[in-house]
Amino acid sequence: DGGITQSPKYLFRKEGQNVTLSCEQNLNHDAMYWYRQDPGQGLRLIYYSQIVNDFQKGDIAEGYSVSREKKESFPLTVTSAQKNPTAFYLCASRSGRANTDTQYFGPGTRLTVL
Amino acid sequence: QKEVEQDPGPLSVPEGAIVSLNCTYSNSAFQYFMWYRQYSRKGPELLMYTYSSGNKEDGRFTAQVDKSSKYISLFIRDSQPSDSATYLCAMSFKAAGNKLTFGGGTRVLVKP
Repeated sequence: DGGITQSPKYLFRKEGQNVTLSCEQNLNHDAMYWYRQDPGQGLRLIYYSQIVNDFQKGDIAEGYSVSREKKESFPLTVTSAQKNPTAFYLCASRSGRANTDTQYFGPGTRLTVL
Repeated sequence: QKEVEQDPGPLSVPEGAIVSLNCTYSNSAFQYFMWYRQYSRKGPELLMYTYSSGNKEDGRFTAQVDKSSKYISLFIRDSQPSDSATYLCAMSFKAAGNKLTFGGGTRVLVKP
């Protein structure tokens, strides 16, 4: 069953803690992305990676970190430096083939800071 | 001013009506245009993808792109209560690493 999985579905964090959100895909896609969505708003890009062992900052990278050690996996760490981390986090992947610029999304992780 | 503008709604229509959604954008470099549907607390689901001006039809959905006016639209014919969701437009261009820029989303409610 091909697709993108994110875990956990819900995550609670105490202030000052780092937490890591998992994103795995078995679509053999080259590029992966992390977005943040706040209530009633569109998606904002945090980080993206077009190939293994390489990634770039998006529009709101401060307070976040990522790694891309394997093609299938792109975990996101929300650090204590992120001042307002409560949000819905979405991971996406894209095949990278010419003229196929569509991104496919996982089910999301809802992070709440207590 | 945001790069991509989208009316947040909510847009309420009776079942069977045509739903008309649109986005305007300011960056003429955008090459690829997408519409996503997002149900509450779920990830967005790709509905339509196009890269040229004109119309593209898929079942009850028609996507329209007018690059000269920097305007895209999505039409949903014979709307159903199951179409009630938030609809997000998104666009990108190759020189920017194919990063997607999203509109804020329009919430649609189809009443039975």
